[in-house]
Amino acid sequence: EPEVTQTPSHQVTQMGQEVILRCVPISNHLYFYWYRQILGQKVEFLVSFYNNEISEKSEIFDDQFSVERPDGSNFTLKIRSTKLEDSAMYFCASRPHRGPGNQPQHFGDGTRLSIL
Amino acid sequence: GQQLNQSPQSMFIQEGEDVSMNCTSSSIFNTWLWYKQDPGEGPVLLIALYKAGELTSNGRLTAQFGITRKDSFLNISASIPSDVGIYFCAGQLRNAGGTSYGKLTFGQGTILTVHP
Repeated sequence: EPEVTQTPSHQVTQMGQEVILRCVPISNHLYFYWYRQILGQKVEFLVSFYNNEISEKSEIFDDQFSVERPDGSNFTLKIRSTKLEDSAMYFCASRPHRGPGNQPQHFGDGTRLSIL
Repeated sequence: GQQLNQSPQSMFIQEGEDVSMNCTSSSIFNTWLWYKQDPGEGPVLLIALYKAGELTSNGRLTAQFGITRKDSFLNISASIPSDVGIYFCAGQLRNAGGTSYGKLTFGQGTILTVHP
């Protein structure tokens, strides 16, 4: 069964450094998402992306964050200047486009981001 | 924004027992989803519910979309050790235009422990 794949599985970065998290969504999917999960907490929405632009973002997704689909297969999340509180699991998700927004999202296994 | 209250926070049960967990919201959702998360992995979709009142089963799992569209429950019958994990409900809202970019709002999770 097709999967959402994320790399790296674990990223350790010094505070203030830039980090790029990578995702390869399922190939025929058109909607892409980033979520984060701080240790022991619930999963929180960051951003949705459709038709090469951000369709919705949360208040967590401030100017330090950006997303890009640089080619036909990758979807990236960049954090420009990392802070300690950015430490979390970051999940990528995707879903197909069949009907008005009621197709479930499929999640990758996440990237654990540790900021030192 | 929307908030989901999921209960219970944790459950300790004996193998073979039935389990029930639920989510409530102060606002309406158009889609309810139930995910399971194992340690170090991403959420895996268990059941998707699209219509108010809908009752859906997936093996030993049964979930219902509440009539008011503000709640959902998940039942697991005859639990087994591999049911251990964190169960999340998630709601998705269709926007005023009738479409949705698919942002999911997650509950806090129910940690399930099954003793053999």
